[in-house]
Amino acid sequence: GDSVTQMEGPVTLSEEAFLTINCTYTATGYPSLFWYVQYPGEGLQLLLKATKADDKGSNKGFEATYRKETTSFHLEKGSVQVSDSAVYFCALIPNNAGNMLTFGGGTRLMVKP
Amino acid sequence: DAEITQSPRHKITETGRQVTLACHQTWNHNNMFWYRQDLGHGLRLIHYSYGVHDTNKGEVSDGYSVSRSNTEDLPLTLESAASSQTSVYFCASSESAGRYEQYFGPGTRLTVT
Repeated sequence: GDSVTQMEGPVTLSEEAFLTINCTYTATGYPSLFWYVQYPGEGLQLLLKATKADDKGSNKGFEATYRKETTSFHLEKGSVQVSDSAVYFCALIPNNAGNMLTFGGGTRLMVKP
Repeated sequence: DAEITQSPRHKITETGRQVTLACHQTWNHNNMFWYRQDLGHGLRLIHYSYGVHDTNKGEVSDGYSVSRSNTEDLPLTLESAASSQTSVYFCASSESAGRYEQYFGPGTRLTVT
């Protein structure tokens, strides 16, 4: 079945460091790919998305590129801030499964001043 | 502004009791979803609905039920609460057609003692 694998956390970085959170997926065809962020005590918010191969999603300085050849959707940010501390979830919707999201396990990011 | 709300935000109940968690959205979305979030498992789908009177089982539906009598609400019922159902529960909604992102509520933390 479809699945999403994320690097385990926590990831601890100093402010202004470069961030990469790895995400790979298993799915048939061309799924839509998403990154969601969960700040402490809150629900999930969509961070960015990509719906076809080679698309780049971007928002708030975060980027991720849909790589069909490596089935990956890694999240990157050039310079993290303390306010980026949160849990990040990679997710997909298969191309034949309506609107149902399949999530990865989540990666906690902690940014220290 | 449109929103999705959940109530209660925190609930403590005893084993064997019936519990109902409320979810209300004002997006006028046809699709609604219930997830549970547990450490090490990310988010797992419990039930979902694609419209009024439509309900479907997700990955972890045993011990849970939902009903959809209108567009705005999808209450989740635990028929006989068990300690294994201690979790954080999230409701989400999305537009009806296409692979659109889901909008999440703030979550309900349920403890079964």
